[in-house]
Amino acid sequence: EAQVTQNPRYLITVTGKKLTVTCSQNMNHEYMSWYRQDPGLGLRQIYYSMNVEVTDKGDVPEGYKVSRKEKRNFPLILESPSPNQTSLYFCASHGAGQGRGYTFGSGTRLTVV
Amino acid sequence: LAKTTQPISMDSYEGQEVNITCSHNNIATNDYITWYQQFPSQGPRFIIQGYKTKVTNEVASLFIPADRKSSTLSLPRVSLSDTAVYYCLVVLGYNQGGKLIFGQGTELSVKP
Repeated sequence: EAQVTQNPRYLITVTGKKLTVTCSQNMNHEYMSWYRQDPGLGLRQIYYSMNVEVTDKGDVPEGYKVSRKEKRNFPLILESPSPNQTSLYFCASHGAGQGRGYTFGSGTRLTVV
Repeated sequence: LAKTTQPISMDSYEGQEVNITCSHNNIATNDYITWYQQFPSQGPRFIIQGYKTKVTNEVASLFIPADRKSSTLSLPRVSLSDTAVYYCLVVLGYNQGGKLIFGQGTELSVKP
């Protein structure tokens, strides 16, 4: 089944403890993105990647890092999480030339205490 | 990318046709219009994309006038399961690659 897989689905962590949220897609898509969703603020793009080793900042990149060493994977790294990064995170991917929009993962609910 | 404006909320009843209009006055020549649907705590789901005139798929229709400054998503005969938030986005190019800006969306409530 074509899908975007995020792990973990739920995570509670403490301030300052580095964490990685993984994202993998099995559709050979070129484009991948990370979003966070917060009540009243909607979906905001954190980082995006247009292909392997090509990444760029979205609207809210502070406090996050990404890497795109392989086409299928696009992990989101929080080097030193803080409570204001408590949010619902979504990874998404899209194939060039398909015109069918992004496929989103099921989300990762992160709580930083 | 052009900013979009759409109603915050809409109510409808089962079986009715629902039209959600989105304004994007500053749309550029290479921009496409795309719509997503989102249920609570789930990732958005792509519904439809268009450039001009009318596009139809198995789920919805998208009407775009000649000046492309607005677009209308039409959902035929809605059911309770169509209750969701609908987002209108202007995206750069057919591929939608890169920056996507989601607005506040339209919260559609379908009643029995």
